[in-house]
Amino acid sequence: EAGVAQSPRYKIIEKRQSVAFWCNPISGHATLYWYQQILGQGPKLLIQFQNNGVVDDSQLPKDRFSAERLKGVDSTLKIQPAKLEDSAVYLCASSGYLDTGELFFGEGSRLTVL
Amino acid sequence: SQQGEEDPQALSIQEGENATMNCSYKTSINNLQWYRQNSGRGLVHLILIRSNEREKHSGRLRVTLDTSKKSSSLLITASRAADTASYFCATEDTGNQFYFGTGTSLTVIP
Repeated sequence: EAGVAQSPRYKIIEKRQSVAFWCNPISGHATLYWYQQILGQGPKLLIQFQNNGVVDDSQLPKDRFSAERLKGVDSTLKIQPAKLEDSAVYLCASSGYLDTGELFFGEGSRLTVL
Repeated sequence: SQQGEEDPQALSIQEGENATMNCSYKTSINNLQWYRQNSGRGLVHLILIRSNEREKHSGRLRVTLDTSKKSSSLLITASRAADTASYFCATEDTGNQFYFGTGTSLTVIP
């Protein structure tokens, strides 16, 4: 079974530029999550999708962050314009078995904003 | 914040010793899970304990849950150098949303 795929693995941009991260969850997983992990901290939930609908985006800074999940499969997280404090690892996770509750994570996309 | 807290923040032990880390959380939960993260990698699920369970074992892992105190502990027995990683607790609330703790960085010295 293929795992959660994320790209790019690393990205360096200047502040005020834009960036997009892509996630392909495990096949058949209905729930997809984007987390932000700042160095030395735990992952912070940004947005949760159930199929292609948003379940929770209460912690997503909507003035600069946007996310979509087309056709309930792949997802894209965009930041525009980026700020220095957006430097973090952006983790995508998926879950297809609500009774077990296990999340499967990708390797993450590390963003550095200069 | 819905995020839990873990202690200690960092733990350094000798190979063969046991490692214990604790997690406290704030809200009602469906279950609590522990994840491991090696440096520069994604998180990997270790073990899940449901809200109606008090203790669970998996290999060298033992997790306890006290819902009255809103706390959990993870014990790793007979630690190995390969156990060096960060460990996070995650609570799943009734809306199937997951909130992670602040993490414990474990170093096992060979």
